[in-house]
Amino acid sequence: QQPVQSPQAVILREGEDAVINCSSSKALYSVHWYRQKHGEAPVFLMILLKGGEQKGHDKISASFNEKKQQSSLYLTASQLSYSGTYFCGTMNGSNSGYALNFGKGTSLLVTP
Amino acid sequence: DSGVTQTPKHLITATGQRVTLRCSPRSGDLSVYWYQQSLDQGLQFLIHYYNGEERAKGNILERFSAQQFPDLHSELNLSSLELGDSALYFCASSVWGGRDNEQFFGPGTRLTVL
Repeated sequence: QQPVQSPQAVILREGEDAVINCSSSKALYSVHWYRQKHGEAPVFLMILLKGGEQKGHDKISASFNEKKQQSSLYLTASQLSYSGTYFCGTMNGSNSGYALNFGKGTSLLVTP
Repeated sequence: DSGVTQTPKHLITATGQRVTLRCSPRSGDLSVYWYQQSLDQGLQFLIHYYNGEERAKGNILERFSAQQFPDLHSELNLSSLELGDSALYFCASSVWGGRDNEQFFGPGTRLTVL
């Protein structure tokens, strides 16, 4: 049930763009994106719901393809503060208690 | 700051011991979730409570137990500790626990078992 994230790691220069993908083998109801810096708590970025629209704020946006059970996180004109590990958490229709199943994460490093 | 608080921040103990981790959810949130994060297993769901009742269990060992009290704070009890239990333990809270609810994570408790 664990979603698969790709790529595992990416290094960018400040100002470049990145896409992080999250896919599941099960039908998804929602996809939750988090960013975690080393030793800190995961910070909520956004949630995408089945039947919902693409979301975004500032230069970070995400989409959800229900047919393919995939979500993508788009980081535009990256800033140094975007560095960290990005996790997608998924909930499917059969989740009891609505716990998040997290992928293994994508490590993002933005360099000057 | 997510509004979720966890104590203690760090805990160092020996194998075989028992510890209690505490979590206070954001004001107004009724659901509390516990997650374990280790290098090899990533972020793993342990257990979910809603308004004092257990709603779901994940990969939680029998040596681990939790409860949510009437004031909505939650405690995670870990007993007969083993070296492999060393990890970051996060609690998260959400308003009511549905699939469209954002979960906000606390700062975590880093447990080291020696």
